[in-house]
Amino acid sequence: KAGVTQTPRYLIKTRGQQVTLSCSPISGHRSVSWYQQTPGQGLQFLFEYFSETQRNKGNFPGRFSGRQFSNSRSEMNVSTLELGDSALYLCASRSGGAPQETQYFGPGTRLLVL
Amino acid sequence: GQNIDQPTEMTATEGAIVQINCTYQTSGFNGLFWYQQHAGEAPTFLSYNVLDGLEEKGRFSSFLSRSKGYSYLLLKELQMKDSASYLCAVVTDSWGKLQFGAGTQVVVTP
Repeated sequence: KAGVTQTPRYLIKTRGQQVTLSCSPISGHRSVSWYQQTPGQGLQFLFEYFSETQRNKGNFPGRFSGRQFSNSRSEMNVSTLELGDSALYLCASRSGGAPQETQYFGPGTRLLVL
Repeated sequence: GQNIDQPTEMTATEGAIVQINCTYQTSGFNGLFWYQQHAGEAPTFLSYNVLDGLEEKGRFSSFLSRSKGYSYLLLKELQMKDSASYLCAVVTDSWGKLQFGAGTQVVVTP
């Protein structure tokens, strides 16, 4: 089975711009979670989508949003970028039914905001 | 508040054993994961504990004590390729939301 894929892998943007990141889960997985990873804060949960609905949300401002499509692919959008948004953005997929299911991570998108 | 604590860094020699501790105080608990993350790569699953006790998987073992809010990951017969960050993550709700510790960087020396 192919793993979780994320595009693009690297991105450079300037302050005030917006960005859209994409995540394709493992085939058959209906849950996609997004995380932000920075050296100072570690891995922080952004939100989770399951069957096209946001099921869970972390403590991030409204500039961070996402959606999920009927094929379970998910996108994450960050508007009005700030320097502090520079991070590795990881998505993870799982079947979605139970909390103990392993989350499988993609390689991440490294975003640099100048 | 919610807190997951791990040591920042540990160094050990090849062939040795290292134990990485994780203590947690979270509003909910539905299990604890350990992930390994090599520099520049995605985290990969190592183990999951939801009941008290020890789970052994080859060179890696993980222990959980729910009453003490404590877990450890034991790495035996260390190899150079085990140099990585090890992340402790608690499932904090019934949907499977993960809260991660900051990670422990393990450095294996020859």
